[in-house]
Amino acid sequence: LAKTTQPISMDSYEGQEVNITCSHNNIATNDYITWYQQFPSQGPRFIIQGYKTKVTNEVASLFIPADRKSSTLSLPRVSLSDTAVYYCLVGSHAGNNRKLIWGLGTSLAVNP
Amino acid sequence: EAGVTQSPTHLIKTRGQQATLRCSPISGHTSVYWYQQALGLGLQFLLWYDEGEERNRGNFPPRFSGRQFPNYSSELNVNALELEDSALYLCASRGTPTQETQYFGPGTRLLVL
Repeated sequence: LAKTTQPISMDSYEGQEVNITCSHNNIATNDYITWYQQFPSQGPRFIIQGYKTKVTNEVASLFIPADRKSSTLSLPRVSLSDTAVYYCLVGSHAGNNRKLIWGLGTSLAVNP
Repeated sequence: EAGVTQSPTHLIKTRGQQATLRCSPISGHTSVYWYQQALGLGLQFLLWYDEGEERNRGNFPPRFSGRQFPNYSSELNVNALELEDSALYLCASRGTPTQETQYFGPGTRLLVL
């Protein structure tokens, strides 16, 4: 069964770039990789999604190597408000293999 | 465009009672997911409904059940509440069959005393 693994916690400082890596060795052909951000007592918020190579939006970049067995969420120039838990999700709603595998989350603390 | 809404925001019950949680997806979204998130823990998948049918179920006992209505809103029912059912219950919706992104509501905080 597919599994995602991500660091439990990370520390950073304001203005730095933060990279959070998720391992998903058994990713299936149809699976997408999605990252969510969650603040305490709120629902997760979509950050970015990708299938392969690199995806960039206004808040983050997602790097996916050719073998797709891992992915890295990159947050440029973090601020205190980026302190949150970041979840990696691997899965697909396509076909019969409708499995969604959530990581346990990475607690990011951004310090002044 | 309104996001996913959930009600109530907070719910306090006693052990053995039943709880009913409600979710309204984003307009046009047909899939609804339910998750349980115990304090300080990750998301545990509960149920997935699409077009009124249950598509998948997580590793939870049968006393966790739900349904999806013709307007795609959904209900989660938890019978015979236990203390360990205390958690944040999150609902998410998803749009077209090819869209992979889930959009989450704010959650219902259930406390079982």
